[in-house]
Order: sequence, then C-alpha cells, then structure tokens
Amino acid sequence: EDQVTQSPEALRLQEGESSSLNCSYTVSGLRGLFWYRQDPGKGPEFLFTLYSAGEEKEKERLKATLTKKESFLHITAPKPEDSATYLCAVQARRNNNDMRFGAGTRLTVKP
Amino acid sequence: GAGVSQSPSNKVTEKGKDVELRCDPISGHTALYWYRQSLGQGLEFLIYFQGNSAPDKSGLPSDRFSAERTGGSVSTLTIQRTQQEDSAVYLCASSLVKDRVAFFGQGTRLTVV
Repeated sequence: EDQVTQSPEALRLQEGESSSLNCSYTVSGLRGLFWYRQDPGKGPEFLFTLYSAGEEKEKERLKATLTKKESFLHITAPKPEDSATYLCAVQARRNNNDMRFGAGTRLTVKP
Repeated sequence: GAGVSQSPSNKVTEKGKDVELRCDPISGHTALYWYRQSLGQGLEFLIYFQGNSAPDKSGLPSDRFSAERTGGSVSTLTIQRTQQEDSAVYLCASSLVKDRVAFFGQGTRLTVV
C-alpha cells in the first residue's frame, strides 16, 4: 500500500533560520510527487511537482528535491509569511487517479 | 472561472439530514477529485472523475456518500443521513490530465450537530 510520511509534524523557526521538511514515501512506481502549501481556512496551493530521482525545483525561498525514497522541501532564510502547513502527495503510475497525501508539516516562522 | 469554486463555504446540519456540496472545476479541466480533511489531518481521497470514464469511488467511506458529475463539469457530493463523524472540510480539486497538477478550491466546512 502506498504510504506518505511527513516529518516533523510541526516546526518552529526564527525568521532567517533555514531548515528542511521531509516527505518519505513508499509507492510502487512513482508517477509524480507533489508539494502543496495550505494556509488556515484555505485549500492547498500547488508548489512543485517532481517526477524522477535527482530532480530539483526552486521557487523563491523554497527548493524541493527528490530521491527514490524521500523528498525534501528546503526553506532558506524563511519569513513569517512562509508560515503554513506544507503537504506532500504521491501519485503512482499504476493508478493515475489517486494522489495520496501525507499529514503535513505545520511551519511557524517567528519574526 | 479562474479557479475551482466550492459552495457553500460553510454548512451546519443536524445529524440524520442529507447534505449536498457543490464543486465548479476550472474550465477545461477533465479530471475532478473530492477529498476530505478532518481537523489536523491530511487529505483523505474520496472519489475521482475523469472525462466520461466510470468514476473511481474507492475512497468513499460508506454507502451514505455519493457523487456525480454532470456534463463533465460541475460535481455534487451528497452525504445522506449525516453523522457527527462526517464533520470535516470537503475539498474539491481539478486538473488537466496531461500534467496532473491538481488545483484546489477553498473547501466546504461541514459541521454535523
């Protein structure tokens, strides 16, 4: 069964303190791994898609990387506006219908 | 529309009543998903529609849950005889099949009292 585990559950950083969020996955034949950001009371907002091990994508202070077993979301010099829950999801080749989500990492960046 | 639209944004209902939740996907998106998010939890897959294919209902938690998609566009998720454990945020997403990036609506917060 496909599984997605995100760690830590919660992370508190000082503004400017870089860190990484982890998404470990087990899936039979990865089609794609997705990162989303979710603010309270809103739907998830798409950030990145990664398709193969070694792939990296960047957007402002965020950089996502992928290996065969996990993905990292690196946050460089975060700002308070980066505070949100970050969700990871995987989609398997055999089943194009189902994106399986992790429980998320709740990030708080203090000024 | 510019994004995925869900209505109502909030719904309070009495236990045992039926509710209907609506989703208007992004124009031209052929794939549509419904997810459920309980407080502090991740997203739980419910159902998936793709074009005219039979929907993937494998995530529906019980036969009280059903969904339809009319004309390949608007979708309605129906919950019959609601229970307190049905209280959650119901999220709809749509995507182009080609790149499979799903764009989410704001969700409907359902509270069963």
